[in-house]
Amino acid sequence: NAGVTQTPKFRVLKTGQSMTLLCAQDMNHEYMYWYRQDPGMGLRLIHYSVGEGTTAKGEVPDGYNVSRLKKQNFLLGLESAAPSQTSVYFCASSSSGTGGETQYFGPGTRLLVL
Amino acid sequence: ILNVEQSPQSLHVQEGDSTNFTCSFPSSNFYALHWYRWETAKSPEALFVMTLNGDEKKKGRISATLNTKEGYSYLYIKGSQPEDSATYLCAFLNNNAGNMLTFGGGTRLMVKP
Repeated sequence: NAGVTQTPKFRVLKTGQSMTLLCAQDMNHEYMYWYRQDPGMGLRLIHYSVGEGTTAKGEVPDGYNVSRLKKQNFLLGLESAAPSQTSVYFCASSSSGTGGETQYFGPGTRLLVL
Repeated sequence: ILNVEQSPQSLHVQEGDSTNFTCSFPSSNFYALHWYRWETAKSPEALFVMTLNGDEKKKGRISATLNTKEGYSYLYIKGSQPEDSATYLCAFLNNNAGNMLTFGGGTRLMVKP
């Protein structure tokens, strides 16, 4: 099993450009999450999904959109990138959402917005 | 926004030292407390999920305790080794948050040989 994979690993954008980050998991997990990690801030939840076709906002959703068209994939979109979105983005997944399950993280995508 | 605090922010110890650090979280509506280990340039990896007051979990030289009434968890590392160098994250889940974890800022541990 590959676990959780993310593409791309690194990207540089100019302000105003758009891009999509792809997260894929092969563990048949229902729940998927997008976090951003900034120095001194820990991991902050952007959006999450409790199943195919459903998404919900997390703590810092502004400026991002997500889609979960297939159970194994969770896409994070930036429509008009801003320098404040420079961060490391982590995707994670977990099995049913009772809260006692660990989350499995991808390797991260480092995004630089100039 | 829930407040999850970890202390200290960073810690330098010598190989062989035992160490511990703290995660503080709201004591109301507790559901679960997660600990993750995060090595530089890698993904966070789960250490423990704790759900009951008084829980103690152990994995090798690493152990954790949980006090939900006062809102804290301790992570202990016995006989630290250089390979223990990492950032240790705790994450809190309350009853009203679905499966949304709130992470602390982490404790960065550096073990000198």
